[in-house]
Amino acid sequence: EADIYQTPRYLVIGTGKKITLECSQTMGHDKMYWYQQDPGMELHLIHYSYGVNSTEKGDLSSESTVSRIRTEHFPLTLESARPSHTSQYLCASTAGGGAEAFFGQGTRLTVV
Amino acid sequence: GESVGLHLPTLSVQEGDNSMINCAYSNSASDYFIWYKQESGKGPQFIIDIRSNMDKRQGQRVTVLLNKTVKHLSLQIAATQPGDSAVYFCAENLNNYGQNFVFGPGTRLSVLP
Repeated sequence: EADIYQTPRYLVIGTGKKITLECSQTMGHDKMYWYQQDPGMELHLIHYSYGVNSTEKGDLSSESTVSRIRTEHFPLTLESARPSHTSQYLCASTAGGGAEAFFGQGTRLTVV
Repeated sequence: GESVGLHLPTLSVQEGDNSMINCAYSNSASDYFIWYKQESGKGPQFIIDIRSNMDKRQGQRVTVLLNKTVKHLSLQIAATQPGDSAVYFCAENLNNYGQNFVFGPGTRLSVLP
């Protein structure tokens, strides 16, 4: 079982609120990712990090931001949540090229 | 081009039959491939992987086939069971530091009783 954890699992929040989705892994992986996935749809990469103090935007534009102050922690923040942000957010990590990516259980976000 | 917003293709099979799920990958330089299974409400889970120096790899009830000539990856599931119902994603990766995983669009497998 993968040692990567996301909290909360489910979140319902009002429009305009600031939220942070947490992701932590205990495998010492340098590379971490955030994906956005609507129900029954594809995975879209929104942010990634190659290590501490490294963050990049992914293939799908997102109004969220991320930080990587510690290897094990890769939080995602929405400064002002909107209904269009309603989706599932999946965090993943990998040891590097040529190794599998481990996924967290996801956070299902609903903005009302 | 980017397939944003497309619904996943669906494959329906009878319980006990064999399943084959296909995936076309994009980068001829990719040298590592993974199949993931995603059950409803969960994150993707690793099923099986294959490196580009192989064309076939077998696991327990699953086999992955790689055809580098046409950039095609297949997942075969033997004796499909109800617990196999899920969305299946293929992913490609370059074995270097700078390349991220690229996921295929996914296929929803439904196992009929």
